[in-house]
Amino acid sequence: EVQLVESGGGLVQPGESLRLSCAASGLIFSHYWMSWVRQAPGKGLEWVANINQNGSEKYYVDSVKGRFTISRDNAKNSLYLQMNSLRVEDTAVYYCAGYGDLALDYWGQGTLVTAFS
Amino acid sequence: SYELTQPPSVSVSPGQTARITCSGDALPKRYVYWYQQKSGQAPVLVIYEDNKRPSGIPERFSGSTSGTMGTLTVSGAQAEDEADYYCYSSDNTANHWVFGGGTKLTVL
Repeated sequence: EVQLVESGGGLVQPGESLRLSCAASGLIFSHYWMSWVRQAPGKGLEWVANINQNGSEKYYVDSVKGRFTISRDNAKNSLYLQMNSLRVEDTAVYYCAGYGDLALDYWGQGTLVTAFS
Repeated sequence: SYELTQPPSVSVSPGQTARITCSGDALPKRYVYWYQQKSGQAPVLVIYEDNKRPSGIPERFSGSTSGTMGTLTVSGAQAEDEADYYCYSSDNTANHWVFGGGTKLTVL
């Protein structure tokens, strides 16, 4: 069974940094594109970033470009999201997700990031 | 930036057919995917590549596309189908992805 477990969320002040982690198991992690998707309280899903299998390709939504960095460590079966210069509007549940054979097939349960002033 | 447009809400009676639309300029060339999200849960894929159904998803869920519009159809909607539904697709570069704003399906 595929499991994605996020960690690292918490309460921060605007301008501060946070690093999210996602531990993957039950799949050959290095074979899959991975993604971060977020959902602000009471709002819809928002794609944040993608990374390819070896980390050589990374893509971001415009609102986080230059502030967030997606990365992975295939030896540790882990995905990361370094979030710098956090804003109030970055407050959301952040989901780690994996592109399986069909689409974004695999999802974690999410970790909450709250940036408040 | 690229956008996908969905109606905020759709309501049907149990047993009726619900149709949720998703509009996007790149849809003639890009696949659309559909996710179901129930309150407090992670999203679940219900349709991929416009009209394919993953294993375990009931046959009453189907997808179709026509031009710049994708449609998720729930035939004979049941109370358990009440959820938020999101379309998902990429822009023409295939490097930037986007979710639609979401549609709340009410079955009552």
